[in-house]
Amino acid sequence: EAGVAQSPRYKIIEKRQSVAFWCNPISGHATLYWYQQILGQGPKLLIQFQNNGVVDDSQLPKDRFSAERLKGVDSTLKIQPAKLEDSAVYLCASSVTSNSPLHFGNGTRLTVT
Amino acid sequence: KQEVTQIPAALSVPEGENLVLNCSFTDSAIYNLQWFRQDPGKGLTSLLLIQSSQREQTSGRLNASLDKSSGRSTLYIAASQPGDSATYLCAVHLGDSSYKLIFGSGTRLLVRP
Repeated sequence: EAGVAQSPRYKIIEKRQSVAFWCNPISGHATLYWYQQILGQGPKLLIQFQNNGVVDDSQLPKDRFSAERLKGVDSTLKIQPAKLEDSAVYLCASSVTSNSPLHFGNGTRLTVT
Repeated sequence: KQEVTQIPAALSVPEGENLVLNCSFTDSAIYNLQWFRQDPGKGLTSLLLIQSSQREQTSGRLNASLDKSSGRSTLYIAASQPGDSATYLCAVHLGDSSYKLIFGSGTRLLVRP
């Protein structure tokens, strides 16, 4: 089966610019997650979708971050405007249900200069 | 607030050694615990998932144990190989309405030939 697809793999932007990340989960996976992983730390959940509804976005900095899941399949995560501290790897994951093992994409490495 | 700690942060062993990675969590009310592997520049691969009612799970040379009452889990790797070199992360699933995974910071393992 095809894995979780993410693009782009790398992105370098200047602070105050905007950036968007895309994720295509495994077919049939109802649950989709966006995690932020800062260098040397474990991933931190930003937002969780169940189908196209938001289950948890309590740690999403809503003043600058936004996310949507189109028709319960693909998802995009946007940062506008970016700050230096947003430099991290952004990981997308999906699972069949919320109690199933997560399958992660390879992530997008963002560098904000 | 649930916190997950992994010790040691880094470990270097010669090939063939048996080794133990440790994970501790502050709140024993977890739904399950997962161990992940992360290779440089890659996403996370789920290794083992232990339900809260289980004491251990095994997959090949890997064995994970769970002691909820003491808030501890260990990942045992038998007969380590250079290909085992990676970062190993544990994560607890809170089992609340958001089904959030809380990750530790990981143990960076190097197996020397």
